[in-house]
Amino acid sequence: DGGITQSPKYLFRKEGQNVTLSCEQNLNHDAMYWYRQDPGQGLRLIYYSQIVNDFQKGDIAEGYSVSREKKESFPLTVTSAQKNPTAFYLCASGSPGTDLNQPQHFGDGTRLSIL
Amino acid sequence: ELKVEQNPLFLSMQEGKNYTIYCNYSTTSDRLYWYRQDPGKSLESLFVLLSNGAVKQEGRLMASLDTKARLSTLHITAAVHDLSATYFCAVGKMTGTASKLTFGTGTRLQVTL
Repeated sequence: DGGITQSPKYLFRKEGQNVTLSCEQNLNHDAMYWYRQDPGQGLRLIYYSQIVNDFQKGDIAEGYSVSREKKESFPLTVTSAQKNPTAFYLCASGSPGTDLNQPQHFGDGTRLSIL
Repeated sequence: ELKVEQNPLFLSMQEGKNYTIYCNYSTTSDRLYWYRQDPGKSLESLFVLLSNGAVKQEGRLMASLDTKARLSTLHITAAVHDLSATYFCAVGKMTGTASKLTFGTGTRLQVTL
């Protein structure tokens, strides 16, 4: 079945540590996105990528980094510079340029907490 | 800066009743999305609305878009308990081949028996 796989489901970060969240899709989508969701709030865009080896900052990129070495993969690193990393992180993908009616498809998310 | 406002933020309604969730946005958009989120879960796509006057229906849910008023509505007909969830609208702006989404804060719907 086609879909988006995020791992791990739960992640704990120690002070001063960088952690990496994995996102893999087998939907052959061009664009991939990372969002952050805080309790009781909507999603905010961290980074997005339209094509391999290219990515752009979203609204809240500070303290995060990404890479896009393969079409299927878009890992997110939460660096020690992100002082409030506790949140629910959602990865999404889509190809809106080829199908106007296509929504962004979301993975199941990773819950990140500080130890 | 694009702002997306939803109201109400919380809605408690009885089974069998009708109600409407409103989504206002501040600038022009390329498309409007509605998503559903169950507690602790990911987002499930409900509707994608592309043009002024667009209306889509799925079961007891119907979404519409008025681009001139910058308003989308999600109408719930004869609510049932299974519709209890948080509903988000999101405004999409195309940039190259990506669609950047700006989300509303969500409407938590509780349907009581």
